[in-house]
Amino acid sequence: AQSVTQLDSHVSVSEGTPVLLRCNYSSSYSPSLFWYVQHPNKGLQLLLKYTSAATLVKGINGFEAEFKKSETSFHLTKPSAHMSDAAEYFCVVSKKSSGDKLTFGTGTRLAVRP
Amino acid sequence: DVKVTQSSRYLVKRTGEKVFLECVQDMDHENMFWYRQDPGLGLRLIYFSYDVKMKEKGDIPEGYSVSREKKERFSLILESASTNQTSMYLCASNRQGRSSTDTQYFGPGTRLTVL
Repeated sequence: AQSVTQLDSHVSVSEGTPVLLRCNYSSSYSPSLFWYVQHPNKGLQLLLKYTSAATLVKGINGFEAEFKKSETSFHLTKPSAHMSDAAEYFCVVSKKSSGDKLTFGTGTRLAVRP
Repeated sequence: DVKVTQSSRYLVKRTGEKVFLECVQDMDHENMFWYRQDPGLGLRLIYFSYDVKMKEKGDIPEGYSVSREKKERFSLILESASTNQTSMYLCASNRQGRSSTDTQYFGPGTRLTVL
């Protein structure tokens, strides 16, 4: 079985400071991993995805994530937070053994203080 | 741009009513999905479909059914709505038959309240 754990339900940062959203996964296969973002009253949007190519993945809006197999982690980072980054973020792992099904984490709500 | 649309943003129904949630995608995607989103639980897969008239149960199918008569349209049906089905429902689609690396594109969601 595959699963993903988002270690923080809420994160608050000041504008201009770094962002770190933590995610650990459990998988019996080489996983595909994703980060999605959900802004208030909007649908989910893909930020980035890891599919066994480069371990450092760059996404949209300055976000990136590093796949660390030894730590079973896929943390999301951004050097400098903007007010527009305030949203809910989901770490997601694929269930390759079942085709296209995804398993979502419980989400991390990011607040950005002026 | 890929567009996934859902028929209603907000819906209020009474216990025991039959409820239809409609989803349409305009990118000729083979795969379509229905999720529900609840605070603290993330998204959970209800049903998905790889092709027209094809469906498979997700992680929480109880109390739900689906219909896919046309490639672009995937309907979620609550045969007899109950209060524990009050939730945000999200539809998604992606291309190809069996690749989990293909990005899923999501609709804006339908917030359903069952009284």
